[in-house]
Amino acid sequence: EDKVVQSPLSLVVHEGDTVTLNCSYEVTNFRSLLWYKQEKKAPTFLFMLTSSGIEKKSGRLSSILDKKELFSILNITATQTGDSAVYLCAVPHGSGNTGKLIFGQGTTLQVKP
Amino acid sequence: SQTIHQWPATLVQPVGSPLSLECTVEGTSNPNLYWYRQAAGRGLQLLFYSVGIGQISSEVPQNLSASRPQDRQFILSSKKLLLSDSGFYLCAWSHRRGVSNQPQHFGDGTRLSIL
Repeated sequence: EDKVVQSPLSLVVHEGDTVTLNCSYEVTNFRSLLWYKQEKKAPTFLFMLTSSGIEKKSGRLSSILDKKELFSILNITATQTGDSAVYLCAVPHGSGNTGKLIFGQGTTLQVKP
Repeated sequence: SQTIHQWPATLVQPVGSPLSLECTVEGTSNPNLYWYRQAAGRGLQLLFYSVGIGQISSEVPQNLSASRPQDRQFILSSKKLLLSDSGFYLCAWSHRRGVSNQPQHFGDGTRLSIL
């Protein structure tokens, strides 16, 4: 059965800290892995990773994929209170034309001033 | 640019009442459409997806149904709500072409409380 597991489930840090969020997966016919940030409402897309070892970067956020060990990490450096959110990891599963995603439970990050 | 609209934002309904949540997408054609439910502190569970008008696939057995009467309109319904239907409902879309390498984009969600 396909599954996505995120850790930790929750995390509290102070502004300026660096955090690493983890996502491991088991899926038939892996195609990609996606990271989303969810504040109050809609999850917003952060990164899509398809190749091992190639870092995706956007400002203070970066992510990398390890297809051999079946996991991805999301790093946030110099955290700010605005980084407080639920971070979701997802992978496509099922047949290729449906676009179905299976999500992890999410990591709730709280950044304190 | 593409936008997705979902309404209402919040809804309080009594047990046994009907439900209709609507989602529309603008700025794209032939999107794949999805309905998710998110329980408190949990990830997203896919309920339904659609690859075209009138084509609905259900992912989990439940008290809900979905319909796609138009290309960019997706509706989530129930004839009689249960307490267990409470949750945060999210609609999403993705491009159909090359869908396996396309992210999904989400609406702002509907917070549904059943009393």
